[in-house]
Amino acid sequence: DTAVSQTPKYLVTQMGNDKSIKCEQNLGHDTMYWYKQDSKKFLKIMFSYNNKELIINETVPNRFSPKSPDKAHLNLHINSLELGDSAVYFCASSQGGNEKGTLHFGNGTRLTVT
Amino acid sequence: GDSVTQMEGPVTLSEEAFLTINCTYTATGYPSLFWYVQYPGEGLQLLLKATKADDKGSNKGFEATYRKETTSFHLEKGSVQVSDSAVYFCALVKAAGNKLTFGGGTRVLVKP
Repeated sequence: DTAVSQTPKYLVTQMGNDKSIKCEQNLGHDTMYWYKQDSKKFLKIMFSYNNKELIINETVPNRFSPKSPDKAHLNLHINSLELGDSAVYFCASSQGGNEKGTLHFGNGTRLTVT
Repeated sequence: GDSVTQMEGPVTLSEEAFLTINCTYTATGYPSLFWYVQYPGEGLQLLLKATKADDKGSNKGFEATYRKETTSFHLEKGSVQVSDSAVYFCALVKAAGNKLTFGGGTRVLVKP
């Protein structure tokens, strides 16, 4: 069973479109994250939810909107896509307490905006 | 703010060579330190961690020791294999926070 799964794996779309990426975890974790990885492999946190509550909201354009319908799901919706949004987006989850910092990552969604 | 600095890659080695990847950090208090590995086409996986000074994390032949006096957490492996080719990330999380701060990643290529 895949612990953290995200769909789709690849997403190719045109500028100006709106798209969503879905993420689900079956680990029973309380906290979920979205990270963006650029072409140089640099990782930047975007958002984090704990039990459906937003706890980290980095400086991200408000075209990006996370939604957590329950603690096992964290989706990312992107409006009016731009060329600079092309990247790999990773979802991750973790349990708090002594396991804080131990993240379980999905395999990523490669977004290409043309 | 908090930051993690890693040596830039790529690091190219022959099989069975010794690997060291340097990592230093800047943070207040006593963060926990981590190494993650990313194989091609995959997400990151936790490789090892250390939660307090002088702790040594180890896994799959890799080791790193939390050195508070030098604010470092260098990753080492005595004999690398081709299958160790990947990007390695050093990271920290502060005791009072939830955010994992990553270094820029170091690509390692092991040739047969």
